[in-house]
Amino acid sequence: GDSVTQMEGPVTLSEEAFLTINCTYTATGYPSLFWYVQYPGEGLQLLLKATKADDKGSNKGFEATYRKETTSFHLEKGSVQVSDSAVYFCALTPYSGGGADGLTFGKGTHLIIQP
Amino acid sequence: GAGVSQTPSNKVTEKGKYVELRCDPISGHTALYWYRQSLGQGPEFLIYFQGTGAADDSGLPNDRFFAVRPEGSVSTLKIQRTERGDSAVYLCASSAGPSNTEAFFGQGTRLTVV
Repeated sequence: GDSVTQMEGPVTLSEEAFLTINCTYTATGYPSLFWYVQYPGEGLQLLLKATKADDKGSNKGFEATYRKETTSFHLEKGSVQVSDSAVYFCALTPYSGGGADGLTFGKGTHLIIQP
Repeated sequence: GAGVSQTPSNKVTEKGKYVELRCDPISGHTALYWYRQSLGQGPEFLIYFQGTGAADDSGLPNDRFFAVRPEGSVSTLKIQRTERGDSAVYLCASSAGPSNTEAFFGQGTRLTVV
């Protein structure tokens, strides 16, 4: 079946550092890929998505590129802020279009940004 | 309401009991999803409704789990003969359409089976 593997946390960085959270996936066909974020005390929120190979999703300074050749969707941000502290989930769905049906999530990466 | 509302926020029940978890989606959203998240894991898909019908129930783990959405708005997830392994946070999400539309998640119901 489909699966998502992301780096284990917690990841601790200083403010303004460069961030990479690795995500690789196993899926048949052409899945849609997502990053969700969960801030303390809040529900899961969609951060960005990409629905086909070589697409780049971006939002709030975060970026991730759908790499079919390496089955990866790594999350990056050039300069993190304390407010980026949260749990980040990589996810996929086997359906095109990018909806939330049948999402398979990774285990989540807890990011801690220190001032 | 402004977002997806789930009630109760916490539920403790004894093994073998029946529980119902409620989800109020964002007004006008036709698609509704249930996920559950065990400790230290990512959310796991359970079921997806489009309108009143279950469009995809492939994630329901066994026949003790059942969900309804009779009027295409509020949904109830029902768990019979609860087991300790059912303890998890149950998440509900809704979206304006079936595909290519962002899903908005509620804060979940934390179910503890003792």
